[in-house]
Amino acid sequence: DSGVTQTPKHLITATGQRVTLRCSPRSGDLSVYWYQQSLDQGLQFLIQYYNGEERAKGNILERFSAQQFPDLHSELNLSSLELGDSALYFCASSGGTAYNEQFFGPGTRLTVL
Amino acid sequence: AQKITQTQPGMFVQEKEAVTLDCTYDTSDQSYGLFWYKQPSSGEMIFLIYQGSYDEQNATEGRYSLNFQKARKSANLVISASQLGDSAMYFCAMREPLGGSYIPTFGRGTSLIVHP
Repeated sequence: DSGVTQTPKHLITATGQRVTLRCSPRSGDLSVYWYQQSLDQGLQFLIQYYNGEERAKGNILERFSAQQFPDLHSELNLSSLELGDSALYFCASSGGTAYNEQFFGPGTRLTVL
Repeated sequence: AQKITQTQPGMFVQEKEAVTLDCTYDTSDQSYGLFWYKQPSSGEMIFLIYQGSYDEQNATEGRYSLNFQKARKSANLVISASQLGDSAMYFCAMREPLGGSYIPTFGRGTSLIVHP
């Protein structure tokens, strides 16, 4: 158990819908990272938050947004969902902005029908 | 351009044997970090080992060791005494600067199957 929790574990929804994925980092970790894992794209970095502020942005679509709250949990919002958004979404946390290992949550498997 | 290359899509090893999973990387930075993660069929990503670019000794964690050859830009993972539970996908990653942070870029992975 990495100490990172993600909910829900599975999510099935329809195209055009909006969903919210939730992540609670390990106790004491200030950084939260979001990744998307799909068969064709592999594991892609989406976005990082550090202590409530956006720190780095990767291949995140404009239809996707994230935030980190004062209690350090984070949410990833996916809107206008398309079939291609079906993937495993991971949250990871670490104790700083650089050079620390990342601890991954169990992931949320999103299926868009 | 691909920053992390894992050329072995699949590997097979006999239980109790050692296996090496290849990883080459591309960077112009002097300071970087290399990671290996394991992803079993259950889906979670498990951190295995980390090597900093300035570390002179190869990293080791139990049965895992990282064969770091800086001049060749390779960071191969060696698993000694393979166990059935080692069957999984293995990902090599390199941390590189992005914005105000350092973010890992992952390779496409190697599937390891351990035979009894």
